[in-house]
Amino acid sequence: GAGVSQSPSNKVTEKGKDVELRCDPISGHTALYWYRQSLGQGLEFLIYFQGNSAPDKSGLPSDRFSAERTGGSVSTLTIQRTQQEDSAVYLCASSLVGGQGAMKAFFGQGTRLTVV
Amino acid sequence: GESVGLHLPTLSVQEGDNSIINCAYSNSASDYFIWYKQESGKGPQFIIDIRSNMDKRQGQRVTVLLNKTVKHLSLQIAATQPGDSAVYFCAETSPYGNKLVFGAGTILRVKS
Repeated sequence: GAGVSQSPSNKVTEKGKDVELRCDPISGHTALYWYRQSLGQGLEFLIYFQGNSAPDKSGLPSDRFSAERTGGSVSTLTIQRTQQEDSAVYLCASSLVGGQGAMKAFFGQGTRLTVV
Repeated sequence: GESVGLHLPTLSVQEGDNSIINCAYSNSASDYFIWYKQESGKGPQFIIDIRSNMDKRQGQRVTVLLNKTVKHLSLQIAATQPGDSAVYFCAETSPYGNKLVFGAGTILRVKS
């Protein structure tokens, strides 16, 4: 597609349930990022994929959070046993990485997760 | 994970005035910087970027200034318009495509 696509756009789940959030990056982009944004706050880094390298998982807040990127394209962020504090907007971004290093990242519209 | 500020500073400007939004970055090894604009309910939108081998870059109505000595980045918006009202974030990254780290964000409010 023309831009980064995330699904679903909104998700309401019960506490304790597992959720999967999907990100389709821009075709050809080798780098993919997940961020979390609570209401009125900044972007909290979660995980970063770059090509075939091992992902940088240093931002995942607990072992209930995991992410994978299949075939270097689509990524899924999974939250197990959701808690109310997991409620936030989850943003995905993708970028090229050129000879000079990082290039501008483009964001999707995000998935608004509400845990009730 | 890395988290950013709990309280976003607010800059209020009159329509037609120039706006200057500031950002202090943390990593002296960072070599690439981006400004993003985020409107309510939307994902961040790219505005302008700059590499560390430059100290100024201009776009349409926007200028980014980089001062590596004091690790400071600024975004200047000329003739601010109501449509410029949003939250503005700076982001930095270190060499070879490492993760983008975002600053705390600044709310820009444009008064008509």
